[in-house]
Amino acid sequence: GIQVEQSPPDLILQEGANSTLRCNFSDSVNNLQWFHQNPWGQLINLFYIPSGTKQNGRLSATTVATERYSLLYISSSQTTDSGVYFCAVEGFSGGYNKLIFGAGTRLAVHP
Amino acid sequence: DAGVTQSPTHLIKTRGQHVTLRCSPISGHKSVSWYQQVLGQGPQFIFQYYEKEERGRGNFPDRFSARQFPNYSSELNVNALLLGDSALYLCASSLDDGGPLHFGNGTRLTVT
Repeated sequence: GIQVEQSPPDLILQEGANSTLRCNFSDSVNNLQWFHQNPWGQLINLFYIPSGTKQNGRLSATTVATERYSLLYISSSQTTDSGVYFCAVEGFSGGYNKLIFGAGTRLAVHP
Repeated sequence: DAGVTQSPTHLIKTRGQHVTLRCSPISGHKSVSWYQQVLGQGPQFIFQYYEKEERGRGNFPDRFSARQFPNYSSELNVNALLLGDSALYLCASSLDDGGPLHFGNGTRLTVT
């Protein structure tokens, strides 16, 4: 099946710093989504980005489908950015199209 | 508009019991999917339903089943609960078969 690898697994930042999170996937995918899970467990959809670049405020994402990776950029980080960032790809595995999550990048932003 | 709603929020069950988890999608969304998230891991796909038909199934035993109702709400049923079924169960909806997923706050199931 499709493998999704995220790096780094853990990241500690000072407020105001910038960061880049990476997601590599092992096969062709139909789409790719980035999520933020806050400390209370709520999963928020950040981007639906099968290819190209999108921006939403301080966050932006780029997916290069032909090279099987996606990047999530966080600029001027704030303490509220803390949590786990998941990349999820939709691909054909086990006879079905399914959304497969990576293990996540755990981000802590300190004041 | 209300987001994806799940009930109950927390549940404690004993090994061998049965549990039913419920999910109401965002109004107008026709696809519902279920995920299991154990501590420290990413969500794992269990089922997807679109227009009341099963469209996908993950690597879970037959003790797990689900259905989608005419109003697009959904139930996840787990029989013969095991300790390893303890997890956060997440429901997500999307407008169509595919597209951005929107998650509910989850049901935290503890099996003792």
